[in-house]
Amino acid sequence: AQSVSQHNHHVILSEAASLELGCNYSYGGTVNLFWYVQYPGQHLQLLLKYFSGDPLVKGIKGFEAEFIKSKFSFNLRKPSVQWSDTAEYFCAVNAMDSSYKLIFGSGTRLLVRP
Amino acid sequence: NAGVTQTPKFQVLKTGQSMTLQCAQDMNHEYMSWYRQDPGMGLRLIHYSVGAGITDQGEVPNGYNVSRSTTEDFPLRLLSAAPSQTSVYFCATQGSGGGYNEQFFGPGTRLTVL
Repeated sequence: AQSVSQHNHHVILSEAASLELGCNYSYGGTVNLFWYVQYPGQHLQLLLKYFSGDPLVKGIKGFEAEFIKSKFSFNLRKPSVQWSDTAEYFCAVNAMDSSYKLIFGSGTRLLVRP
Repeated sequence: NAGVTQTPKFQVLKTGQSMTLQCAQDMNHEYMSWYRQDPGMGLRLIHYSVGAGITDQGEVPNGYNVSRSTTEDFPLRLLSAAPSQTSVYFCATQGSGGGYNEQFFGPGTRLTVL
């Protein structure tokens, strides 16, 4: 069965620090990859997605992610975080032979201290 | 354009009670799904539908029923509520194109079962 692992459950950073959140998935076939964000009290919204092509994808609010196929990873990065980035971040994977189904990781809670 | 709406926002039930969580969308999306979000477990798929009259089970379907009589609505029924169903429930939709498109989430329903 497919699964998604997010190794960091809680991350605390100071403003201007760099961020990298890990995401690994288990599936041998072709995948679509997503990062979603949930700000406090709000619903999930898409940060960025990868389908094919350049493995480095850029999303909203200065976030980017790199797909490394050999490592089954899709790590999220941001060079300099802001207090407003405090949120929970979810990695999600769609296996191409599973049509619409998304499998989510357990999430990473990020707290950015001003 | 309301997007994805869910009612109610909050609900408290007693063990054994039944209720229906409502989800409606005005984006004419063919795919709709229900997730539950529990701390440290991310989002888990309960049921999904790829169009009116078509539903299928996700990862955690037990104790829940769904039906899809129209494109717009996808209610989730709890037949006999149990404390283990205390969770936050999200409805999501996706347009045609399989797993290439992002999913759009509703604001969630926070359910407590006593």
